[in-house]
Amino acid sequence: AQSVTQLDSQVPVFEEAPVELRCNYSSSVSVYLFWYVQYPNQGLQLLLKYLSGSTLVESINGFEAEFNKSQTSFHLRKPSVHISDTAEYFCAVTPNRDDKIIFGKGTRLHILP
Amino acid sequence: GAGVSQSPRYKVAKRGQDVALRCDPISGHVSLFWYQQALGQGPEFLTYFQNEAQLDKSGLPSDRFFAERPEGSVSTLKIQRTQQEDSAVYLCASSLGYKSGYLSYEQYFGPGTRLTVT
Repeated sequence: AQSVTQLDSQVPVFEEAPVELRCNYSSSVSVYLFWYVQYPNQGLQLLLKYLSGSTLVESINGFEAEFNKSQTSFHLRKPSVHISDTAEYFCAVTPNRDDKIIFGKGTRLHILP
Repeated sequence: GAGVSQSPRYKVAKRGQDVALRCDPISGHVSLFWYQQALGQGPEFLTYFQNEAQLDKSGLPSDRFFAERPEGSVSTLKIQRTQQEDSAVYLCASSLGYKSGYLSYEQYFGPGTRLTVT
């Protein structure tokens, strides 16, 4: 069975500072990895995904995540956050492409002015 | 185009009442998923449909929970004899799935139905 651990429930960071949201997963099989974002009063949106190939994946709004198989991690990073990045971020895994997604508990990113 | 819609957006039920939550997936999407998100938690899988076939219902917490998708489009999640522990946001997601030999797996989520059982 797969599981996801997000080590921080809340991360405060000053605007324009870098941020890293940590995610570790456990699985006995190969998995596909995702980061979803939930902005206030909005639905879940896919931020980025790792399926295969390059271990560094990027989103259109400056976030990136690196798949590290040896450490079973998929940490999310952004070099400079903006107030509009305020949201809850969920790391997730699935064993197959069209299958249920297993989510972590989420990390609330709180941008300080 | 229109995304996944869910209704009602909010539902308050007295303990013991039955509720029905509706999901309208994106038109043409083959796969449909239901998730339950308790306060302060990540979404947890409930059940999965491919067209009208319910292929996985391993996440349904009890036999009070029932889901259907009779014509392979709209889906309804029914909860009988609601209990306080059923209070949560219920999320529906759809994906194009396998169609014409091509797999598109990205799940698009609806806004959710917030169920409060008093």
